[in-house]
Parts: sequence; C-alpha cells; structure tokens
Amino acid sequence: AQSVTQLGSHVSVSEGALVLLRCNYSSSVPPYLFWYVQYPNQGLQLLLKYTTGATLVKGINGFEAEFKKSETSFHLTKPSAHMSDAAEYFCAVSDTGGTSYGKLTFGQGTILTVHP
Amino acid sequence: DAGITQSPRHKVTETGTPVTLRCHQTENHRYMYWYRQDPGHGLRLIHYSYGVKDTDKGEVSDGYSVSRSKTEDFLLTLESATSSQTSVYFCAISDNADTQYFGPGTRLTVL
Repeated sequence: AQSVTQLGSHVSVSEGALVLLRCNYSSSVPPYLFWYVQYPNQGLQLLLKYTTGATLVKGINGFEAEFKKSETSFHLTKPSAHMSDAAEYFCAVSDTGGTSYGKLTFGQGTILTVHP
Repeated sequence: DAGITQSPRHKVTETGTPVTLRCHQTENHRYMYWYRQDPGHGLRLIHYSYGVKDTDKGEVSDGYSVSRSKTEDFLLTLESATSSQTSVYFCAISDNADTQYFGPGTRLTVL
C-alpha cells in the first residue's frame, strides 16, 4: 500500500523568500511522484513529476523537486516566492507498474500563503 | 483542463435522492478516474476506468457506482445520496496511466 505525508498543512512565507513544501512517501515499488497545485475554486494543475532518470525535476512557474530514494522524500522548492504562488499544493504517488492503472494516492495538501 | 468538462458544476440535493455526475473528455484518453476532495484528506479515489465497460473500485467506493459506455464519458452515480457524500468531485483522465489531468470539479451538497 502506498501513502503520502505532507508535513505542515499550512506554510507561510514572505514574498521573495524560499518556498519549501515537504512530502514523504511510502511505496513497495519504485514510485512515480507528482506535485499538483490547486488555486481557489479550480481543478488541479500538474506542477511537475518524477518517473525515471534525473532525480531533480523542474516544473512550471519556477518550481522544482528532488527525488531522494534514501529519504523517501520528494520536497518541492522555489527560490523566490511570488504572491501568485498562494494556493494549495498536493503531493501524490502512483505505482509504476503492475495493475495499478496509474491510480494516485494523495497527501493531505499544504496551503501556501505568501505575505507582501 | 486538457479537454475535460464536468457537469453539473454545482448541485444541491436532498438525502435519499439519486445523483449522477458526468465527466466528458475530448482527448480520447483510455483511463478515467473519479476522486472526491474533502478538507484534511486531500483527494481520494472513488472509482476508475481502464477502458470502455472496464471499471474498478478505489479506496472510497461505498455508496458510489460508475459506468463507461463510451470512451469520452464516465458517469458517477450516488444511488441514494447521504450527507457524508457532500464534497467536491473531480474527474481525471490519462492517456498512458502516467500523468493525470483534472477537470474543474463538481461541488455537491446533500442536505
């Protein structure tokens, strides 16, 4: 069984500060890992994903995440926060094979607030 | 939203009534999924489909059924709605079971 834990349901940063959103996962097989962003009253938009290959992945809007197998982590970072980054962020994991059919297991979400 | 629409976008209904939510895609993707989103729980998988007439249960399938009679449509039915099914429902699609793309959501309130 897979699970995802996002550390911190709320994170607050100042504009221009580093954004760090933490995600740890458990999976019995090599995972695919995802970060999605949800703006108020909207659906989820894919920020970035890790499947295979390079462990540092870059996404949209200046975000990046690093897959660390030894730490079972996939933390999301952005060097300098913008006001427009305020949203809820979800980390998700899926099995890479078998009969999983790409089913996603999501973390609880982290609400990012950006102060002027 | 990758050619995904959900209808209705908002619905208020009463306990015990049947409700059907529709997800329609124009991408010809094989895989379709229904999730519900509740505060503190993230999104949880209700049912999914891996082809026409091929469906299976997710982690929170009790009280829900689905049907997929053609590639573009995936229906979620609450046979007898309960207040615990008040939620925001999201449909997602995927071409290769790799990356999922989400619809705009349906906000359902069961009184």
